[in-house]
Amino acid sequence: DAGVIQSPRHEVTEMGQEVTLRCKPISGHDYLFWYRQTMMRGLELLIYFNNNVPIDDSGMPEDRFSAKMPNASFSTLKIQPSEPRDSAVYFCASSLIQWSGELFFGEGSRLTVL
Amino acid sequence: GNSVTQMEGPVTLSEEAFLTINCTYTATGYPSLFWYVQYPGEGLQLLLKATKADDKGSNKGFEATYRKETTSFHLEKGSVQVSDSAVYFCALSDQTGANNLFFGTGTRLTVIP
Repeated sequence: DAGVIQSPRHEVTEMGQEVTLRCKPISGHDYLFWYRQTMMRGLELLIYFNNNVPIDDSGMPEDRFSAKMPNASFSTLKIQPSEPRDSAVYFCASSLIQWSGELFFGEGSRLTVL
Repeated sequence: GNSVTQMEGPVTLSEEAFLTINCTYTATGYPSLFWYVQYPGEGLQLLLKATKADDKGSNKGFEATYRKETTSFHLEKGSVQVSDSAVYFCALSDQTGANNLFFGTGTRLTVIP
């Protein structure tokens, strides 16, 4: 079975531009997570979904960030407008319906905002 | 509240050396404990876990024992290889909700031939 698939792997954009990151979770997984990884803050949970419904978005840093999950096999994380401090690696992860702490991570999307 | 404290890195070892990466935790209740590993350019992947006190998780030659009395979950390997070079994250889950998985800051390990 394929793992969690993220795109793009790398994105370089200019400040003020809209950025959309995409994620396809593992089939059958009902939880989907978006994390951000930076040197300064480590791994931060931004938002997670259960059965396509956002459950906790308290980690989303600002209104510039939004996430959607229109169906069980696709999610997006959008930043509009982007700023240099948004530069980070964004990870999507999924897990089975029984919450156990075992997350399956994608390879990440490295975002650079100039 | 819940938190995880990992030993600061980076750690550099010669091949076949013994590895210990310290991890201590603070939690309410009875958390599950995890070690995740992140190889260069990849996402995190679960290395091992333990769900109750005195459990030992093991995988790929790595081991960690859930010590409730010392609130610790130290990662060990008897003989490291160059391919073990990665960042290691300790984490806990209190199982009250999917948002309650707490990661440590990560420890970078470099193994030199």
